Amino acid sequence: EPEVTQTPSHQVTQMGQEVILRCVPISNHLYFYWYRQILGQKVEFLVSFYNNEISEKSEIFDDQFSVERPDGSNFTLKIRSTKLEDSAMYFCARKGNYGYTFGSGTRLTVV
Amino acid sequence: AQSVTQPDIHITVSEGASLELRCNYSYGATPYLFWYVQSPGQGLQLLLKYFSGDTLVQGIKGFEAEFKRSQSSFNLRKPSVHWSDAAEYFCAVGARAAGNKLTFGGGTRVLVKP
Repeated sequence: EPEVTQTPSHQVTQMGQEVILRCVPISNHLYFYWYRQILGQKVEFLVSFYNNEISEKSEIFDDQFSVERPDGSNFTLKIRSTKLEDSAMYFCARKGNYGYTFGSGTRLTVV
Repeated sequence: AQSVTQPDIHITVSEGASLELRCNYSYGATPYLFWYVQSPGQGLQLLLKYFSGDTLVQGIKGFEAEFKRSQSSFNLRKPSVHWSDAAEYFCAVGARAAGNKLTFGGGTRVLVKP
């Protein structure tokens, strides 16, 4: 199946700034996900997105997070006011016929 | 709620030796099961998956895993490891409901000695 592409691969931002992480999962899939992996820890579910709506979110996904599919192919995760503890690798994923395909991730560093 | 336990945080194995990584899951029905591998600083690569049918599944890079319903396990094996197999391995469980999220285990870091 086609890959999932994430941009940027690495982003450094100052605490309190807004960041937007982008994912291109191919437009003919319905289910998309964001996961987070803090350095040295396990991969944690953030949010699932189905048919242009959030279908499930974890308790990590608080009001500072939002997701959008602005143009039918890109899928974005916005963090409104970053905190130091938001530093992590963020993975986008989509669900297809052969299971879940993950992007290569965006490493977010909040300083 | 679904959960996954990988009891071994680190495993060190000699090159050429066999490898087995343990995974136990908790889920009320038959789940979808996955193994992913992650090299340092890299993304998650799917090694293999179990949806239904034959409980012994073959994956890429010479890996296989066996689903044992009675033990709620999905252990990953490789008969002879290569130095390039040094990485972190994650087991994950997903429900059969459409669109359900994956839940990951804590991972097992594999070190390969020459």
